[in-house]
Amino acid sequence: AQTVTQSQPEMSVQEAETVTLSCTYDTSESDYYLFWYKQPPSRQMILVIRQEAYKQQNATENRFSVNFQKAAKSFSLKISDSQLGDAAMYFCAYRREIGANNLFFGTGTRLTVIP
Amino acid sequence: DGGITQSPKYLFRKEGQNVTLSCEQNLNHDAMYWYRQDPGQGLRLIYYSQIVNDFQKGDIAEGYSVSREKKESFPLTVTSAQKNPTAFYLCASSITHRGREQYFGPGTRLTVT
Repeated sequence: AQTVTQSQPEMSVQEAETVTLSCTYDTSESDYYLFWYKQPPSRQMILVIRQEAYKQQNATENRFSVNFQKAAKSFSLKISDSQLGDAAMYFCAYRREIGANNLFFGTGTRLTVIP
Repeated sequence: DGGITQSPKYLFRKEGQNVTLSCEQNLNHDAMYWYRQDPGQGLRLIYYSQIVNDFQKGDIAEGYSVSREKKESFPLTVTSAQKNPTAFYLCASSITHRGREQYFGPGTRLTVT
């Protein structure tokens, strides 16, 4: 079974600084997708960034980027120039390429942005 | 605006009653999903549907039932057999069952006393 581990229950960052959230996963498959979702106080899950396992290049979306290390099964999220609106719970998620396509989630990291 | 709606935002029920949570999408997505979120945990899959009139159990389907009679609707019934029904419930959809991204609704907070 796939497992996703987020070892940092809480993180904090100064406004305008950079923060990295960690995620590791366990799988025996070679093709899969990885995601970071943001859940603000409204509790709506918002997709932040996606990485396909077959791509070596790390995904980037504006201030958000990932460090994908396939061999180490590591998928960290870097938030640059942190803004107050980045404060939220962040969830790492895994999805298989074939078969059942539900998402497997980590337990989340609560990010606080300090003004 | 295209999106996923879940109603109501907050729902209260007495123990022993069945309750149905609504999920509607106008994104023309084929696949829909129900997840449950408990405090301090990530989301866990209850049921999913790849197409109309078809659905499969997820990891924690016991005590829940679903139907998929229309493409845009995927209601979830929490039955009295569900031992710990109080939770936050999120509905999601993807363009197909192979769609990479899942898009989420705003969620329903169910409290059973």
